[in-house]
Amino acid sequence: KAGVTQTPRYLIKTRGQQVTLSCSPISGHRSVSWYQQTPGQGLQFLFEYFSETQRNKGNFPGRFSGRQFSNSRSEMNVSTLELGDSALYLCASSGQSGNTIYFGEGSWLTVV
Amino acid sequence: KQEVTQIPAALSVPEGENLVLNCSFTDSAIYNLQWFRQDPGKGLTSLLLIQSSQREQTSGRLNASLDKSSGRSTLYIAASQPGDSATYLCAVSITGANSKLTFGKGITLSVRP
Repeated sequence: KAGVTQTPRYLIKTRGQQVTLSCSPISGHRSVSWYQQTPGQGLQFLFEYFSETQRNKGNFPGRFSGRQFSNSRSEMNVSTLELGDSALYLCASSGQSGNTIYFGEGSWLTVV
Repeated sequence: KQEVTQIPAALSVPEGENLVLNCSFTDSAIYNLQWFRQDPGKGLTSLLLIQSSQREQTSGRLNASLDKSSGRSTLYIAASQPGDSATYLCAVSITGANSKLTFGKGITLSVRP
């Protein structure tokens, strides 16, 4: 079956702009989570959505937001982009709690 | 606050060597622990998942152990191959929601032919 799909794979934005990233989970998975990966901080949890509700949230400013649709697809949005937002953004999906989590290939965001 | 540490940050070994990658965590009240592999520029691939009630899991040449009381996990790779070169990350979940993971910084493994 198809894996976790993230779009776009690469994008370049200018400081102050906003960006929306999309994630389609594995069919049947209702939990979608987002992570930011940078060389300095490593992988950091952004938020998790389950059945269209945010279930968990990491320690990121309010400029980072997300949502989940009824088909479990999820989007995350970053407003007023800063240079430090340059990172690989990874989406992951899982089925039942406690089961293996599956990651997408990520969206590379560069802010100039 | 849960912290996950992986030392060393990088490791280079000759092909065929058996090796152990270490992971330590500060809060023993974990729900599960997972080991992932990440190839350059790619996402993460789950290798092994150990529930808090388990002591180890095996998959092919990989074996992961978990000692909650000491806050440690090891990933054992038997007969390493150049194709095993990648970054290996461990992550713990402290809630029933396995999606909220706390990751270590990873160990970049290079297996020399």
